[in-house]
Amino acid sequence: GAVVSQHPSWVICKSGTSVKIECRSLDFQATTMFWYRQFPKQSLMLMATSNEGSKATYEQGVEKDKFLINHASLTLSTLTVTSAHPEDSSFYICSARVQKERGYTFGSGTRLTVV
Amino acid sequence: DAKTTQPTSMDCAEGRAANLPCNHSTISGNEYVYWYRQIHSQGPQYIIHGLKNNETNEMASLIITEDRKSSTLILPHATLRDTAVYYCIVAGSARQLTFGSGTQLTVLP
Repeated sequence: GAVVSQHPSWVICKSGTSVKIECRSLDFQATTMFWYRQFPKQSLMLMATSNEGSKATYEQGVEKDKFLINHASLTLSTLTVTSAHPEDSSFYICSARVQKERGYTFGSGTRLTVV
Repeated sequence: DAKTTQPTSMDCAEGRAANLPCNHSTISGNEYVYWYRQIHSQGPQYIIHGLKNNETNEMASLIITEDRKSSTLILPHATLRDTAVYYCIVAGSARQLTFGSGTQLTVLP
């Protein structure tokens, strides 16, 4: 139980285009989801907290107009990287808090390459 | 959230127990200790978490000192597939997880 499905697993896009990443909780409802970014040989960095039915909360230094987050239902949060540039190339990972026994569960990640 | 300190890397022989330490001397009373691991190019995998008492599940055991200032994750019989970066995280129950640098565990044949 407590599975978070993230799609796509990898994507290559041209500079200037936008990319949408989906994160779904398959067997539980997630009122809050988290989006992380991980550069090579570095740890995960929290980008934003996604709240169902309300605006996301962004960490300092993360541009909200560039990384659009939508959490329209209790099972789906999306991250859209707008006008992507090569420096946005990274591993993006979503997470959701599962009540009680499992803490937090993570998606499998999306490898974004902007060319 | 309290900060954690972990060794950068550790080696362990296959079949032996892997003991991964973590210091969290500034932990507060309502903060949990979480352990996750990340195998290359995958999302973090939950291992175990605890508040005060020692915990055990099918993957590992978590030993938390009485003063809660440190903990040890124990993988009882390490296999090659346990090679990963292990993260010790301290957080309140409703807080997001903040990842440190973790410990690169390498299980050797």
